[in-house]
This record gives sequence, C-alpha cells and structure tokens, in this order.
Amino acid sequence: AQSVTQLGSHVSVSEGALVLLRCNYSSSVPPYLFWYVQYPNQGLQLLLKYTSAATLVKGINGFEAEFKKSETSFHLTKPSAHMSDAAEYFCAVSDLGTDKLIFGTGTRLQVFP
Amino acid sequence: SQTIHQWPATLVQPVGSPLSLECTVEGTSNPNLYWYRQAAGRGLQLLFYSVGIGQISSEVPQNLSASRPQDRQFILSSKKLLLSDSGFYLCAWSVWTNEKLFFGSGTQLSVL
Repeated sequence: AQSVTQLGSHVSVSEGALVLLRCNYSSSVPPYLFWYVQYPNQGLQLLLKYTSAATLVKGINGFEAEFKKSETSFHLTKPSAHMSDAAEYFCAVSDLGTDKLIFGTGTRLQVFP
Repeated sequence: SQTIHQWPATLVQPVGSPLSLECTVEGTSNPNLYWYRQAAGRGLQLLFYSVGIGQISSEVPQNLSASRPQDRQFILSSKKLLLSDSGFYLCAWSVWTNEKLFFGSGTQLSVL
C-alpha cells in the first residue's frame, strides 16, 4: 500500500531563507505525488502535482518540488520564504488507477521576521 | 465555476449525540467525493470516498458512516458520537481519478 512520510512536524525559517520540506513516499508503482497547503482554519489548496512528466515541478507562490525516484523523495522547496508562507503543508500520494489520496502527517512552517 | 459547500463550520456536541455533516458540490457532474478527518499530529486521514450515488468505500473502521443520496451531496453521520470523534473534518471532490482534490472549508467538531 502506498504511504508518505513527512520528516519534521515543525520547520522554522527566517524571512528570505530557503524553505525545504521533506517528503518520502512508498509505492509499488510509479505514483502521482502532490503537495497541499493549509492556511489556518481553512481547507487545503493544491500547491503542485507530479504525474510522471518533468521531474521538477513548479507550483504556485514560488514553490517547486523535485521527484527523485532513486531516493523515493518529493521534497518541497522555495528559495526565499515570505511571512505569508506560514501554514501547514501536506504531501500526498496516489497510485495510478486509485480514487484516493493518502496524506502525510503534515509539516507546520513558521517564518520569522 | 465549481464550488464546494460544507457546513456547519463549527459544531460542539455531547458524547452520545448524533452527527450529520453535509457537503454539496456545484458546477460539476459525477464527481468523486471524499471525507477526510484531520486530528492533531496525525495529518489527514481518509474516512470515506464515493465514485457515484450510493457507492461508498470506507477506509477506516470507526463510529462514522457516509451516504451519497444525490450526485453532488455527501453526508457524514454518526448515531452516537465518541470523544475520539473530535477533529477537523474536510470534504473534498475531484473530477477524475488522480486529479487534484478541491477541499471545502472544513468543520471543526468538538465532542464534549
């Protein structure tokens, strides 16, 4: 069964610093991978999605993620953090042909001035 | 354009009382529908998903049930709430398998 592991439940960075949120997946077949963001008291919004095309995926708000099959990873990065990036971020995986996404436990990003 | 409505936004219920959370989608037909629960430190847990009217798949044995009486309506229910049912419940929909999910704004349920 597919699963995702997000390393670090909390990540703190200074404004302007690099953001790196880690996600490793487990899947028996090439997966589809997603990153979602959740702002306080809101639902989730899709940041970006990997579907076996380009391994480097660019998303909204300056975020991007790179699919590395050899490392079974799909880490999320942003070169320069903004205060508005403070939120909870979820990595998710689905296998081709399934109807559901399996989410990680989430990483809360704090951005300090 | 498509929209998803989920209500209520917050709910406080005593242990043993019933529950009904409703979710409706507008602007699309035959969506896949999902109920997720978010509990502190546990991320998002898929509870139920549905690919059509009357078709419900349950992911986790629990005190809850789901129904899809109409194409764009998805209801989460319980006959008797437990303390452990507290959490943030999110409804979501997608057009196709493996396509992105569109989430509702969530319901914060507190069982006291």
